[in-house]
Amino acid sequence: GENVEQHPSTLSVQEGDSAVIKCTYSDSASNYFPWYKQELGKRPQLIIDIRSNVGEKKDQRIAVTLNKTAKHFSLHITETQPEDSAVYFCAANSLGGADGLTFGKGTHLIIQP
Amino acid sequence: NAGVTQTPKFRILKIGQSMTLQCTQDMNHNYMYWYRQDPGMGLKLIYYSVGAGITDKGEVPNGYNVSRSTTEDFPLRLELAAPSQTSVYFCASSYGVNEQFFGPGTRLTVL
Repeated sequence: GENVEQHPSTLSVQEGDSAVIKCTYSDSASNYFPWYKQELGKRPQLIIDIRSNVGEKKDQRIAVTLNKTAKHFSLHITETQPEDSAVYFCAANSLGGADGLTFGKGTHLIIQP
Repeated sequence: NAGVTQTPKFRILKIGQSMTLQCTQDMNHNYMYWYRQDPGMGLKLIYYSVGAGITDKGEVPNGYNVSRSTTEDFPLRLELAAPSQTSVYFCASSYGVNEQFFGPGTRLTVL
C-alpha cells in the first residue's frame, strides 16, 4: 500500500516569513494529493490539493508543488500569519483510486509574533 | 446543508462493550470513509464505501464493521471494545476522488 512521509514534524517561523512542508509518497499510481489543516480539537479541512497531471498550483498565499518523478510534493505558505498556526497533513490517494487517503503524520506549524 | 454529521461527540466504553458510531451526509456524495486519529498522528483509514451496498477494508479494519444501506448513512460498529481502540474517529465523504469533507469527530475512550 501507499506510504506517506512528512517533514518536519514541527516548524516554527516568524510572522511574515515563509513556511515549507515536504512529503514523499511510495505508490506511483497515486494521482491525488491534498493538504489538510487541523486546528486543535477540530476536524481536518482541505486547504489545497493537486492532481498528478499538474506540477504546481497556487491559491493566494498557499502553493503546492508536485514532482512525480521523485515522488514528492511540498506545501508553501508565504507571508505567514498567526492564524496559520495549526497542524498540517499531506495525503495521497491509495492505489490511484477510491481507496481513501493515506496521511502523513503531520507538521505542527507555529507562527512566532 | 449540514454537511457530514457524527454522533455521539464523546463516549466512554468498558472493555468488551460494543457500540455504533453514526455518520450521515446530506451532500449526495457517493464515497464515504471512516478514519481514526491517534494522538499526535495522522489519520488512518478503517473502512470505505464507493456507494450504497458496497464496502471495503482500509488500512486498519480489525475490530470494526460497517454497512452502507443508503447513500446518506455509513455507521461504524465496534464489537468487543479494546483499549487500543481509544481514538478520535472521523467520518468523511466525497464525490469521487475529490475533496473529502470531514465530520466533527467522535472521541472514544475504552477503559
